[in-house]
Amino acid sequence: GAVVSQHPSRVICKSGTSVKIECRSLDFQATTMFWYRQFPKQSLMLMATSNEGSKATYEQGVEKDKFLINHASLTLSTLTVTSAHPEDSSFYICSAPSTGWNEKLFFGSGTQLSVL
Amino acid sequence: ELKVEQNPLFLSMQEGKNYTIYCNYSTTSDRLYWYRQDPGKSLESLFVLLSNGAVKQEGRLMASLDTKARLSTLHITAAVHDLSATYFCAVEKKSSGDKLTFGTGTRLAVRP
Repeated sequence: GAVVSQHPSRVICKSGTSVKIECRSLDFQATTMFWYRQFPKQSLMLMATSNEGSKATYEQGVEKDKFLINHASLTLSTLTVTSAHPEDSSFYICSAPSTGWNEKLFFGSGTQLSVL
Repeated sequence: ELKVEQNPLFLSMQEGKNYTIYCNYSTTSDRLYWYRQDPGKSLESLFVLLSNGAVKQEGRLMASLDTKARLSTLHITAAVHDLSATYFCAVEKKSSGDKLTFGTGTRLAVRP
């Protein structure tokens, strides 16, 4: 089945630095990818929709200048957390819809970001 | 605005027992998903339900959908410890561009 690869799985960084997270669809093309954030023991909240060849669409309350999204190709989307602060520490998950109407969505393995 | 609620939020059950997790959503939807999440891990797809009356089963888990009531259930039969995890339902509306709205999650602990 379709697979979505996400890297890194875990990252620890200092406050003020930037962190890039990659999300790749391995055996299918994804014109759209989704980025979610999950705080401990909470549900997943959609941050933004990444669109290949155009600007990302951000959900209300998500700072587009802080969370930069680039959908460089049909198989790669990146999320860059700029000038990270401790409150950005969270579990970030990407997902990509397959082309079939009856297919399940595919999620990356997630990235645990810890900002010191 | 689409809202998705699950109950219970936390469920402690004994091995061998049956129980049901409920997922209510506020507006019409096109697809409803159930996912499992283990601590520190990403989501594992369990079921996708497309139409009213849909029922899917895999192992000890069975999911159903009632679109008129805007309700989906995840039924656990004869629970085993390996089923301990957090379960999320998620609702998708095509008109919103395939975006998912997740439920609050149900943390299931199966004890011996």
